[in-house]
Amino acid sequence: DAGITQSPRHKVTETGTPVTLRCHQTENHRYMYWYRQDPGHGLRLIHYSYGVKDTDKGEVSDGYSVSRSKTEDFLLTLESATSSQTSVYFCATLSQERDEQYFGPGTRLTVT
Amino acid sequence: QQQVKQSPQSLIVQKGGISIINCAYENTAFDYFPWYQQFPGKGPALLIAIRPDVSEKKEGRFTISFNKSAKQFSLHIMDSQPGDSATYFCAASIPAGNKLTFGGGTRVLVKP
Repeated sequence: DAGITQSPRHKVTETGTPVTLRCHQTENHRYMYWYRQDPGHGLRLIHYSYGVKDTDKGEVSDGYSVSRSKTEDFLLTLESATSSQTSVYFCATLSQERDEQYFGPGTRLTVT
Repeated sequence: QQQVKQSPQSLIVQKGGISIINCAYENTAFDYFPWYQQFPGKGPALLIAIRPDVSEKKEGRFTISFNKSAKQFSLHIMDSQPGDSATYFCAASIPAGNKLTFGGGTRVLVKP
């Protein structure tokens, strides 16, 4: 997993509650990404970061926000969770040296 | 709108056979085409990748064929083994931000 940890690994929450997922990396990579994985859709980019405090939207950013106050941590927040946000969330980092994205183990989120 | 279309959705192959997965893309700005392998409960892992300046790349039993004019690329798994049973994703990215756009995935089952 190239030094990437995600927490929590599993979470069940109720509709309307806020949820924060954490991604932590040990490789000092500049670029970090949040994707969601749903059957038939592959993985879709939610938000990404190209440095501390530098973030941008991806393909499916509505309902999500991110923050990056340190190189090693990238947080994904669902301000008010909805059932459509039930998914598996993957964090990734980019090795610019190897031009390769490494993925974390994922967080399975269920919104009831 | 799915910018990378992947087929088939699932594939069953006998041990020793050839698995072929195809992808087609629309955005001519894509300049990096990786394939990822994912086992259940794990994050995707880079298998092999190609850039559009070459038409074929081989690494062990895995080969990418790339057809720039047709905007298509494919993964061939030679001498398929039961351990190759996994879900495979094609992806593509543009230079800015290395943001990956994924195909929908192909579940490959190799029967012994």
